[in-house]
Amino acid sequence: SQKIEQNSEALNIQEGKTATLTCNYTNYSPAYLQWYRQDPGRGPVFLLLIRENEKEKRKERLKVTFDTTLKQSLFHITASQPADSATYLCALASGSSNTGKLIFGQGTTLQVKP
Amino acid sequence: GAVVSQHPSWVICKSGTSVKIECRSLDFQATTMFWYRQFPKQSLMLMATSNEGSKATYEQGVEKDKFLINHASLTLSTLTVTSAHPEDSSFYICSARGTGSGSTDTQYFGPGTRLTVL
Repeated sequence: SQKIEQNSEALNIQEGKTATLTCNYTNYSPAYLQWYRQDPGRGPVFLLLIRENEKEKRKERLKVTFDTTLKQSLFHITASQPADSATYLCALASGSSNTGKLIFGQGTTLQVKP
Repeated sequence: GAVVSQHPSWVICKSGTSVKIECRSLDFQATTMFWYRQFPKQSLMLMATSNEGSKATYEQGVEKDKFLINHASLTLSTLTVTSAHPEDSSFYICSARGTGSGSTDTQYFGPGTRLTVL
């Protein structure tokens, strides 16, 4: 069955450093992958989408890579700030991309300390 | 753009009653809406896929007679939890996928509804 794993439940880093979060998947080849931010008691907020034919995508301080050979995506936040503290979820397109169904990882909670 | 709202944001009800949650796409038309459930410290679990004008498709293990979904227009989907019990207490989140050009693969999420069944 399709499986997604995010490398750790929690990640603590110092302000100004780069945070790197990992998302690994097995048993299928998604057409695209998305990263979301979720704050406590709130719905996820879309950050970035990367397709299987794209190696890297950037948006301001965010960078996502997608390695279909390793079946892995890395999510980087450069020059991290305490306001970046949140849970980050990776989500992969399930089955046919036309359905729009997503499978979510369990999330990594990032804590950026001042 | 791409704003999705949910109402109510929280609700407390007695066991055995029914609760309706609304999900609206405010500035775009959504051909497809999704309903998720999230328990504390866990990730989102897809409950059902709702396409405008047709019956919802439920994920395995989700009771369609308990979780009634209606997607009557391109901007509104509703989830009704019928005969709610304490084990139905959870955080319910909807998302919407847009129509038209551009990326229709992106899902935009509502703020969620916290349901507590006493």
